[in-house]
Amino acid sequence: AQSVTQLDSQVPVFEEAPVELRCNYSSSVSVYLFWYVQYPNQGLQLLLKYLSGSTLVKGINGFEAEFNKSQTSFHLRKPSVHISDTAEYFCAVRRSDKLIFGTGTRLQVFP
Amino acid sequence: DAEITQSPRHKITETGRQVTLACHQTWNHNNMFWYRQDLGHGLRLIHYSYGVHDTNKGEVSDGYSVSRSNTEDLPLTLESAASSQTSVYFCASSAGYEQYFGPGTRLTVT
Repeated sequence: AQSVTQLDSQVPVFEEAPVELRCNYSSSVSVYLFWYVQYPNQGLQLLLKYLSGSTLVKGINGFEAEFNKSQTSFHLRKPSVHISDTAEYFCAVRRSDKLIFGTGTRLQVFP
Repeated sequence: DAEITQSPRHKITETGRQVTLACHQTWNHNNMFWYRQDLGHGLRLIHYSYGVHDTNKGEVSDGYSVSRSNTEDLPLTLESAASSQTSVYFCASSAGYEQYFGPGTRLTVT
């Protein structure tokens, strides 16, 4: 069975600092991986996805993620965060047209 | 522009009452999903549908039901609301790899 682990429930960071949000998955078959962002009182919005091809995936708002098959990881990174990046971030793996979500990481950006 | 809407956005109800949450999408997607979001659990799948008259149970389906009479709508019904069903509910639709989410319904069962 596929599952997703987000190792950090909260990540505090100062504005303009780099950030990495960690995600590990378990799967014995090909994987499709996603990062979603949830701003306060809103639904989820797709940041980026890995389906195949290049292991470095670029998304919206300057975020990128790297698929690492040997480490079964799909960590999300941004070189310089803004206050507006404060949100909840969810990693997900696709299984039979359904998404299995991690428990989320709260990114808090301080001025 | 195509969109997915949910109503109501906020609902307070009493234990034992039947509650229906609406989900409407104009993407013309065949696949629709209901999730609940709880602190420490992320999003968990309640029910899903791959088309008209098709419904399937998800991870946490006990106490919930759905029906799909057309492509656009997938209402979620709580047969007899319980305090454990206090949560934020999200509807989503997809026609490929990406799921599109509604704004959510915050349900409080007192």
